[in-house]
Amino acid sequence: GQQVMQIPQYQHVQEGEDFTTYCNSSTTLSNIQWYKQRPGGHPVFLIQLVKSGEVKKQKRLTFQFGEAKKNSSLHITATQTTDVGTYFCAGNFGNEKLTFGTGTRLTIIP
Amino acid sequence: DTGVSQDPRHKITKRGQNVTFRCDPISEHNRLYWYRQTLGQGPEFLTYFQNEAQLEKSRLLSDRFSAERPKGSFSTLEIQRTEQGDSAMYLCASSLAGTGGNQPQHFGDGTRLSIL
Repeated sequence: GQQVMQIPQYQHVQEGEDFTTYCNSSTTLSNIQWYKQRPGGHPVFLIQLVKSGEVKKQKRLTFQFGEAKKNSSLHITATQTTDVGTYFCAGNFGNEKLTFGTGTRLTIIP
Repeated sequence: DTGVSQDPRHKITKRGQNVTFRCDPISEHNRLYWYRQTLGQGPEFLTYFQNEAQLEKSRLLSDRFSAERPKGSFSTLEIQRTEQGDSAMYLCASSLAGTGGNQPQHFGDGTRLSIL
């Protein structure tokens, strides 16, 4: 089936350290979206990547889409306590729905 | 933009009872999605509507589940004869229509269902 795998499941970092989460699909994606869910909250859209090899930046966040459009990553530079939450990738396989990864839960040690 | 609202926020019911949840999407959004999320997992697609038409249902959606969007605005999700495994957070999201699912989805706060 069409699945999106995400690693790691958990990541604990000291405040100021970098953080990366990785997303992989066994089949080519049409596009990929990234969402952030704060504890007790709902997923909030961060960004969408569409083109092969695309790189987008939002302040300290860098999003990449692989050349084969089968993988993606989110990198946060110099984490802050406000970055706490679970980061989900959500892949689209050319239909009208999103397939979410299992998420990476980021906790920050002050 | 008042956001996506869901009601109720929490629902506790006994096994075997029927429950119904409501979702009010962002007014100008013609797409509406239902997801289920369990602890430690990502949202799992259940079904989606474009206007009043239900265009896709997940194979995970058993016959006990039904969703409607009668006037293309709010939507309801009903679960009949609830089972323990139905305990989850039920999320609603809305978006503008786009090709290939490439529109950001805006989520509500969800309805947390607990089956006793």
